Amino acid sequence: GAGVSQSPRYKVAKRGQDVALRCDPISGHVSLFWYQQALGQGPEFLTYFQNEAQLDKSGLPSDRFFAERPEGSVSTLKIQRTQQEDSAVYLCASQGNTGELFFGEGSRLTVL
Amino acid sequence: QKEVEQNSGPLSVPEGAIASLNCTYSDRVSQSFFWYRQYSGKSPELIMSIYSNGDKEDGRFTAQLNKASQYVSLLIRDSQPSDSATYLCAVRAGSYQLTFGKGTKLSVIP
Repeated sequence: GAGVSQSPRYKVAKRGQDVALRCDPISGHVSLFWYQQALGQGPEFLTYFQNEAQLDKSGLPSDRFFAERPEGSVSTLKIQRTQQEDSAVYLCASQGNTGELFFGEGSRLTVL
Repeated sequence: QKEVEQNSGPLSVPEGAIASLNCTYSDRVSQSFFWYRQYSGKSPELIMSIYSNGDKEDGRFTAQLNKASQYVSLLIRDSQPSDSATYLCAVRAGSYQLTFGKGTKLSVIP
C-alpha cells in the first residue's frame, strides 16, 4: 500500500475487555515496530518484528500485551483485560531500506 | 536506561524568526539521530536525519550534531505558522530501536 495503515483509528473499551489493534505496513517492508504514545509524551517502544520473527518485545509493559505478525506482513497488537493506564495512542511503523521509520496514523485507545 | 531529553516547551517564536530546538542523549554509542514533526492528533513524520558531527541543511531546516557533548539540535529558519507542532528528537544506538524524547511544542505566532 501507499502507507502504513492502522485500524481501528479509535477504540473505546470498558476496563477488563480485550482489544486487538491491526497494522498493515508498507508492502515489502521487513521491519515493523509498535510504539505506545501517552498524552504529552514521546512514543515508547513496545516491540519489533523482522518478517514474522518477534526479535524484541522488551517494551511490552505486561503479559497482558501480545503482538504477532504470523505471515510477515500484517501485525496485530492484542491487549487483554484492558486497564485505564493502557489508554494511549498505539503507533505502528515500518522501516524502509534507508532506516527511516514510516508511521501509521495510530490507534487511539480509551479505556473507561 | 537510554534517555533522550528535550525541553517540553512550549517554545513561542514570531513568524519569520529562527526556532531553535535542543536535545541531549545519554547513550554514548548512539549513531543515528532524527527529528520528527508531529501535528496534534497526527503521527510523527521524519523531517531530518543526521549521522555525523556538524551541520546538515535541508531547506529551512538545519540539524546540528555534537557527539562529544551528546547534543543534537534543530534550527528552523524563517519560521511559519505551519511549523507549529511538536518536534520529537529520536536516537538510535543499536541496529534498530529508536528512543524518542518527550518532544518540544513549538508555536509560531503570526
